[in-house]
Amino acid sequence: KAGVTQTPRYLIKTRGQQVTLSCSPISGHRSVSWYQQTPGQGLQFLFEYFSETQRNKGNFPGRFSGRQFSNSRSEMNVSTLELGDSALYLCASSLGLGHNSPLHFGNGTRLTVT
Amino acid sequence: AQRVTQPEKLLSVFKGAPVELKCNYSYSGSPELFWYVQYSRQRLQLLLRHISRESIKGFTADLNKGETSFHLKKPFAQEEDSAMYYCALEDAGGTSYGKLTFGQGTILTVHP
Repeated sequence: KAGVTQTPRYLIKTRGQQVTLSCSPISGHRSVSWYQQTPGQGLQFLFEYFSETQRNKGNFPGRFSGRQFSNSRSEMNVSTLELGDSALYLCASSLGLGHNSPLHFGNGTRLTVT
Repeated sequence: AQRVTQPEKLLSVFKGAPVELKCNYSYSGSPELFWYVQYSRQRLQLLLRHISRESIKGFTADLNKGETSFHLKKPFAQEEDSAMYYCALEDAGGTSYGKLTFGQGTILTVHP
């Protein structure tokens, strides 16, 4: 079974630009969660999608948005990039049916904002 | 607000020694607790979860609601246990599946 796939692996953008990151979950998984990982703040929850609906959102500004498609693939978008958005963005998928559905993480997309 | 604290950023032990990675949490509701591990050059993966009461790779963790702790233990550490360990909390009472609050992580190094 293929794992969670995130593309691209690396991105370099400049301040003010926008970026779209992509996540393909494990086949059969309907939930996709996104996390931001930085050295200072650690792993922070961004949002979770289940069956194309945002089920939960973390404490991030509106510049961070996401969506999920009918095939469960998900994208997250960050507009008007700031230097502080430089981070590793992790996607995780699960069956999403309860606490017995562990998260399976991708390798992440490393975003650098200059 | 929920919070997970891992007081040790770094922990070093020798092979064969017992190891305990500490995790304390602050949460008013009913938590589900997890330990995730990231080995060198690998992705973050689930090690064990409180709800299953399982032992994985010799590791166990007991939820102590009185002390609000979920420490990870192994009686005899192995070199392959060297990794970054994260403790994480999920709201057991809601539908926040996929929304985990992570601790800052502990880097465990097991010396030969």
